[in-house]
Amino acid sequence: KAGVTQTPRYLIKTRGQQVTLSCSPISGHRSVSWYQQTPGQGLQFLFEYFSETQRNKGNFPGRFSGRQFSNSRSEMNVSTLELGDSALYLCASSSTGGSYNEQFFGPGTRLTVL
Amino acid sequence: AQKVTQAQTEISVVEKEDVTLDCVYETRDTTYYLFWYKQPPSGELVFLIRRNSFDEQNEISGRYSWNFQKSTSSFNFTITASQVVDSAVYFCALSEAGLISYNTDKLIFGTGTRLQVFP
Repeated sequence: KAGVTQTPRYLIKTRGQQVTLSCSPISGHRSVSWYQQTPGQGLQFLFEYFSETQRNKGNFPGRFSGRQFSNSRSEMNVSTLELGDSALYLCASSSTGGSYNEQFFGPGTRLTVL
Repeated sequence: AQKVTQAQTEISVVEKEDVTLDCVYETRDTTYYLFWYKQPPSGELVFLIRRNSFDEQNEISGRYSWNFQKSTSSFNFTITASQVVDSAVYFCALSEAGLISYNTDKLIFGTGTRLQVFP
């Protein structure tokens, strides 16, 4: 079974631009979560989608948004990029969603904002 | 408030030494889950173990063992006879399962402990 895939793996953008990151969960998994990892703040939860609905959201500004498609693939978008948005963005999937679930993580997208 | 604390930022050991990574958590939920993940240099988080709040039995898996103590809100991880391949950042995480939190995958991570094992 293929693991969680994220594209692109690396991205360089400039301040003010917007970016879209993509995540394909493990086949059959319906829940997708996104996390931001930075040296200063560590791993922080962004949002979670289940069956195309946002089920939970972390404490991030409205510039961060996401969506999930009917095939469970998910995208996250960051508009008006700031230098502080430079981070590793990790996507995780689980079968049904729920606090007891083991989540499988992708390799991440490393975003650099110049 | 929910919180996970990993006080050890970095640990260095020589191969074959035993090492314990500490994790202390805070939660108001009576039902919750604790996890350990490993993050090698490649960046991908690898699941190691999940433990629910009602199961305080220690667990051993090969060279890995976990000690869960609700009385001290700790969930420590020990690697016996460490190997160079164990070098990675290890994260402890909490998932709450209260009435409101149950249907969510949200993980609250500690800041991680970087383990370096030297030959």
